[in-house]
Amino acid sequence: DGGITQSPKYLFRKEGQNVTLSCEQNLNHDAMYWYRQDPGQGLRLIYYSQIVNDFQKGDIAEGYSVSREKKESFPLTVTSAQKNPTAFYLCASSMGGAKSAEQYFGPGTRLTVT
Amino acid sequence: AQKVTQAQTEISVVEKEDVTLDCVYETRDTTYYLFWYKQPPSGELVFLIRRNSFDEQNEISGRYSWNFQKSTSSFNFTITASQVVDSAVYFCALSEAMLLDDKIIFGKGTRLHILP
Repeated sequence: DGGITQSPKYLFRKEGQNVTLSCEQNLNHDAMYWYRQDPGQGLRLIYYSQIVNDFQKGDIAEGYSVSREKKESFPLTVTSAQKNPTAFYLCASSMGGAKSAEQYFGPGTRLTVT
Repeated sequence: AQKVTQAQTEISVVEKEDVTLDCVYETRDTTYYLFWYKQPPSGELVFLIRRNSFDEQNEISGRYSWNFQKSTSSFNFTITASQVVDSAVYFCALSEAMLLDDKIIFGKGTRLHILP
């Protein structure tokens, strides 16, 4: 079954700790994305990667970091520098290749930092 | 600059009624793509449709239909004979071909409540 997996579904952390959110896809997609969604808000792009070993900042990259060492994986680290990390995080992937293809989403990770 | 506006923040209708979700977009590109996604309470966004700027034909898929009008920069989504399972947040989105970065800009979404 092809798709995108994100783990865990719920994550709790203490303030000041870094935390890494996992995102894996087996759709053979080149492009991957991380979004943040706050209650009642739309999706805001954090980082995206169009190919392995390359990624670009989105609209709200401050306090976050990513890596893209494998085509299938695009982990997101929420660092202690992120002022308001509590949010719903969604990972997505698409065919890439500048084709403006539709993105497919994982189930999301709800992060709570106290 | 590209922008997607979904003016309806929240809509409630009674089951079996028809409902239209509005989407207005702004772009300087002549080649662009429009999307609709559904986000049920589980949280995962589900892709519904992708339309390119050169195809203004209306699309129908079961109870869902989409009306694309370049003259008014709108891409509206209608659900006919709504059902409780249609309750969700619906996002309209835009991607510009000239940017070559595969990014999609999302509207803020419309929360749809279908009342039994």
